[in-house]
Amino acid sequence: SSELTQDPAVSVALGQTVRITCRGDSLRDYYASWYHHKPGQPPLLVIYGKHNRPSGIPDRFSGSSSGNTASLTITGAQAEDEADFYCVSRDSSARLLLFGGGTKLTVL
Amino acid sequence: QVQLQESGPGLVKSSETLSLTCTVSGGSITTHYWTWIRQPPGKGLEWIGYIYYSGSNNYSPSLKSRATISLDTSKNQVSLKLSSVTTADTAVYYCARGTSGWSTLYFFYMDVWGEGTTVTVS
Repeated sequence: SSELTQDPAVSVALGQTVRITCRGDSLRDYYASWYHHKPGQPPLLVIYGKHNRPSGIPDRFSGSSSGNTASLTITGAQAEDEADFYCVSRDSSARLLLFGGGTKLTVL
Repeated sequence: QVQLQESGPGLVKSSETLSLTCTVSGGSITTHYWTWIRQPPGKGLEWIGYIYYSGSNNYSPSLKSRATISLDTSKNQVSLKLSSVTTADTAVYYCARGTSGWSTLYFFYMDVWGEGTTVTVS
């Protein structure tokens, strides 16, 4: 299929660890990239490739991939991490770009 | 440092064509992919399409018949045209720079984004 599926919402206590997942057949061929998106701001790339973080992204963000599932882990979640998170991948034909539906992260 | 800035009319009438421009500064559009994404009010991010610096492009199947993305290398700009708009096309529109490659698996990511521009269809 050419879809990426994310849980709509996840919550985490301040300072605890949370995993956000993304599932899709294309993830067997493509690494997901992950974006942090707050209202009124452009999305921010936080993870790309196997487990790369762009310059300036805290090391509490990490990524992993296994089979048809990609995961974004935040170790020691902070209040400023509260946002929508999106996974993105190309489809297996390498023509289309797929966006997950987004996961709303609440930091309690 | 590469920066992107979207511009265009904030209000478009139904059935008309939406035209947006993404001006790239600090780098050339003759590299990378150039992508348009939008977010309707209360909804998630939606891919519209992208164009490779070579000129080849791909579009979301749901918008393919109405969307056109092109490059103007003389102005270092990427444009989006969306025809026959309806109120469902009301959204914040973003342009972003894309990079693809391979490392054990293939990858594609968008590391530079414009601030976005709000378009309302009335």
